[in-house]
Amino acid sequence: EAGVAQSPRYKIIEKRQSVAFWCNPISGHATLYWYQQILGQGPKLLIQFQNNGVVDDSQLPKDRFSAERLKGVDSTLKIQPAKLEDSAVYLCASSLAQTASTDTQYFGPGTRLTVL
Amino acid sequence: EDKVVQSPLSLVVHEGDTVTLNCSYEVTNFRSLLWYKQEKKAPTFLFMLTSSGIEKKSGRLSSILDKKELFSILNITATQTGDSAVYLCAVEGSGGGADGLTFGKGTHLIIQP
Repeated sequence: EAGVAQSPRYKIIEKRQSVAFWCNPISGHATLYWYQQILGQGPKLLIQFQNNGVVDDSQLPKDRFSAERLKGVDSTLKIQPAKLEDSAVYLCASSLAQTASTDTQYFGPGTRLTVL
Repeated sequence: EDKVVQSPLSLVVHEGDTVTLNCSYEVTNFRSLLWYKQEKKAPTFLFMLTSSGIEKKSGRLSSILDKKELFSILNITATQTGDSAVYLCAVEGSGGGADGLTFGKGTHLIIQP
């Protein structure tokens, strides 16, 4: 079974630049999550999609972060403009859940972002 | 390809029991092994292990890494119903020129009163 795919795996940018991450969930998974994980901390949920609708984006810094899942399959997360404190691993996860309930999440390998 | 295998996949015990969760891995250029507890949405970080043989403890939870045999264990003593969760193991390595985390499928732990 193919897992959650993410790209790029590693990105270095300068502050004030823009960056975009891509995630392709496991086929058939209705729910998609984006997390931000700073070194030594647990992942922080940025946004949760149910198919192509947003279920929870309460912790997404909307002044600079945006995410979309237009066709209810793959998703992109964008940061514009980036700040030094955005340096982190960005994890994508998906779950089968057809409703916005807790379900087993499968994680991708993450994208390590370094902002200089 | 990096690989993380957790066992058992599910476990049901009674309150007060001690449990041991296992995580074995194959990874290129090992950097660290991480344990998480997932109850609702975002997993809660438990431990990061980088050195062999050094036990990390937090209350009733402890974990140790064996880099020679490529595994880690997570122990929970005097379990409580609040310990019921999925416990995830992830390994960070750098394989094929890219960095990344590889997660195991998790151990679903249920503590019965």
